[in-house]
Amino acid sequence: TQLLEQSPQFLSIQEGENLTVYCNSSSVFSSLQWYRQEPGEGPVLLVTVVTGGEVKKLKRLTFQFGDARKDSSLHITAAQPGDTGLYLCAGSGGYQKVTFGTGTKLQVIP
Amino acid sequence: EPEVTQTPSHQVTQMGQEVILRCVPISNHLYFYWYRQILGQKVEFLVSFYNNEISEKSEIFDDQFSVERPDGSNFTLKIRSTKLEDSAMYFCASSSLAHEQFFGPGTRLTVL
Repeated sequence: TQLLEQSPQFLSIQEGENLTVYCNSSSVFSSLQWYRQEPGEGPVLLVTVVTGGEVKKLKRLTFQFGDARKDSSLHITAAQPGDTGLYLCAGSGGYQKVTFGTGTKLQVIP
Repeated sequence: EPEVTQTPSHQVTQMGQEVILRCVPISNHLYFYWYRQILGQKVEFLVSFYNNEISEKSEIFDDQFSVERPDGSNFTLKIRSTKLEDSAMYFCASSSLAHEQFFGPGTRLTVL
């Protein structure tokens, strides 16, 4: 069974601070996605990383895929209240199921 | 921008009744999925569907569940005899040849 552990589970920070969320597994994934989910809504895809060591930037968000394709990180610079939400990493072995991580609930206080 | 749509947004049913949850995937996508999320828990894979057949299913997807693509646009999940523990958000997703799955807004199923 593939498991994805995210840390921290909960994070409450002040506006303007930086933060990093980690996603770790003992399994190798062909790709890894990061989603953001609002209460009562479906996960919204933020980014997909495919190559080991790959780094992608989306405005103030930086995503990195580990060299061994078992882990990933999401770094947010100068967090804003609009960044508040549940962040999910999800690993894929191809065209089959996506295995979701345990989630990190982020709260950015104005 | 194309998106996955799901209907209804909220379904309330009595235990033992059949429900059908409907999804319209993104039009040029070939792979379709159902996931569920029990309140407060993580999103769990149910089933994947490709070329008009199930390609993978989880242990959750037992004989009470079935999926169908009745026409060129809809993708449905049927639960034959609902149980209280089937209460959850059900998400449909679709993908093309890429790795990325795009999710619908979900159907909240409440079994009374």
